[in-house]
Amino acid sequence: SAVISQKPSRDICQRGTSLTIQCQVDSQVTMMFWYRQQPGQSLTLIATANQGSEATYESGFVIDKFPISRPNLTFSTLTVSNMSPEDSSIYLCSVRSGNNQPQHFGDGTRLSIL
Amino acid sequence: QKEVEQDPGPLSVPEGAIVSLNCTYSNSAFQYFMWYRQYSRKGPELLMYTYSSGNKEDGRFTAQVDKSSKYISLFIRDSQPSDSATYLCAMSEASSGDKLTFGTGTRLAVRP
Repeated sequence: SAVISQKPSRDICQRGTSLTIQCQVDSQVTMMFWYRQQPGQSLTLIATANQGSEATYESGFVIDKFPISRPNLTFSTLTVSNMSPEDSSIYLCSVRSGNNQPQHFGDGTRLSIL
Repeated sequence: QKEVEQDPGPLSVPEGAIVSLNCTYSNSAFQYFMWYRQYSRKGPELLMYTYSSGNKEDGRFTAQVDKSSKYISLFIRDSQPSDSATYLCAMSEASSGDKLTFGTGTRLAVRP
């Protein structure tokens, strides 16, 4: 399966600031996704990162708060904007290489907001 | 009611035991079923991927899907301390195969 690298692996940020998380894949993939994993809760899909077009957001997530870019088939970014302590979470990138293929995940970015 | 229910554990077993992990779900449209293993400070790692009902075996791992009961299981034979991790079930509908719905995960500890 593809090797997925996320940067940064962790960060501690101040309230009101923004952080951009990068996801790099070592091969071209058809689909890239961003998830949030909060303590004691299940992984929740934030959005699907579409190459060359706007991301598709799930209910409860909006572009102003979580802008996403996907300039090519191997790279995507997720920005967490105007952060508050409630945004403290693990943010995970996943990829799918083709139709009827499962998703594979990166190791995530552990984000703490003070 | 959550779409996917999973006992959070923790589940503690001795080395060599057979482990049974389970999830129930309410959405009859789910067609694809997955089990992921997640070690501390790591991302979920795909263990098993099945479509519709039936069994699938891979080494010490067996996944079972019973769509009539909306129930899936993962069995681990001859469990090892290295199997200690959180196990996540996930599933998706055929029509929107990209959106995964996860259980909350079961923490497993295998004692040497």
